Amino acid sequence: DVKVTQSSRYLVKRTGEKVFLECVQDMDHENMFWYRQDPGLGLRLIYFSYDVKMKEKGDIPEGYSVSREKKERFSLILESASTNQTSMYLCASSTHTRGYTFGSGTRLTVV
Amino acid sequence: GESVGLHLPTLSVQEGDNSIINCAYSNSASDYFIWYKQESGKGPQFIIDIRSNMDKRQGQRVTVLLNKTVKHLSLQIAATQPGDSAVYFCAESILTGGGNKLTFGTGTQLKVEL
Repeated sequence: DVKVTQSSRYLVKRTGEKVFLECVQDMDHENMFWYRQDPGLGLRLIYFSYDVKMKEKGDIPEGYSVSREKKERFSLILESASTNQTSMYLCASSTHTRGYTFGSGTRLTVV
Repeated sequence: GESVGLHLPTLSVQEGDNSIINCAYSNSASDYFIWYKQESGKGPQFIIDIRSNMDKRQGQRVTVLLNKTVKHLSLQIAATQPGDSAVYFCAESILTGGGNKLTFGTGTQLKVEL
């Protein structure tokens, strides 16, 4: 069964901490994406990558960075966590021609 | 930027009835459309997709209809079951030219009443 695995289901971090959210896919997909999901706002794209070492900003990249050193792994980094980054974070992967496969999500709370 | 919207935020149906969830999209260049289901506490799950060269596609108990003239997408669920209760998202993309970046709607909550 193909999978997108996010390393943590729940995280609690303090304001100002550097936070790493990890995502691994086993489908050899070219594309990987990070979204955040908030009530009433739907899914908003933070960053995406169409290839190893490649990254592009999505709609809301401020306060985030990403790393894709290997094809199967796409990391989201919160450089200095703030309370407005409390959210559900969803990772997804895809080929160029089909829909996304999502991970189960990481619910991050910044206190 | 372009956006994908949904007509109704909440839809309640009786178990066994058919459900129809609607979606309006605004980018006439979109050529690929998907429906996702998201249960509470889980990531979105792929249901069915359709390309712009088709106007109908059927899966198991689900049918997607695409009307490019009015830029409308719908998901029909036959014989709705309690396990169908979830939030349903439509999404659109432009596959031509490489890449695949989906734009999502805000979702419709489907509630199945026993």
